[in-house]
Amino acid sequence: DTGVSQNPRHKITKRGQNVTFRCDPISEHNRLYWYRQTLGQGPEFLTYFQNEAQLEKSRLLSDRFSAERPKGSFSTLEIQRTEQGDSAMYLCASSDSRGPAFFGQGTRLTVV
Amino acid sequence: QKEVEQNSGPLSVPEGAIASLNCTYSDRGSQSFFWYRQYSGKSPELIMFIYSNGDKEDGRFTAQLNKASQYVSLLIRDSQPSDSATYLCAGGNEKLTFGTGTRLTIIP
Repeated sequence: DTGVSQNPRHKITKRGQNVTFRCDPISEHNRLYWYRQTLGQGPEFLTYFQNEAQLEKSRLLSDRFSAERPKGSFSTLEIQRTEQGDSAMYLCASSDSRGPAFFGQGTRLTVV
Repeated sequence: QKEVEQNSGPLSVPEGAIASLNCTYSDRGSQSFFWYRQYSGKSPELIMFIYSNGDKEDGRFTAQLNKASQYVSLLIRDSQPSDSATYLCAGGNEKLTFGTGTRLTIIP
């Protein structure tokens, strides 16, 4: 499978717990993006990497959120002390420097 | 606030007809525009992208871009029931700003 892969597909967690999501981009893509989508809305930009460098973070990304892309390959998004408002679909996408972004299947987070 | 706005839905189109989806954007610095299709509960799937003024055709899909009017559209010819989905318009450079989507239903 040469597409963007996200794990897990679904995550249910209790409020206050930490969660971590993983994204494996398309192998030749140097850019990796994280978006968040809630019901009835379009995806909202969270952050993006070019290779291993995190180039931009949205103000939506509070101190409880952190993203990494060690070695410029896969990326992880961690949410600490989850809140009910964090419940959403977390989408990862990748692209090369000039091409369009392709999305993974998403990780649906439910905070109870 | 850099915004992308889409025509409000839902939009219902008879099977075989042309579906027209519209989008305007506020950031004149945006260079790239995309249309994604999203089925309920699934992630967005790239349908078309356009970088230059004018029309771009791919099969039953035509994307149109008018940078002077800050307007992007997607035409779907010979609409099929499988085209029923939410269509997301997005624009930007590196990061994308998405509209809220237009829900399209093709009526058999």
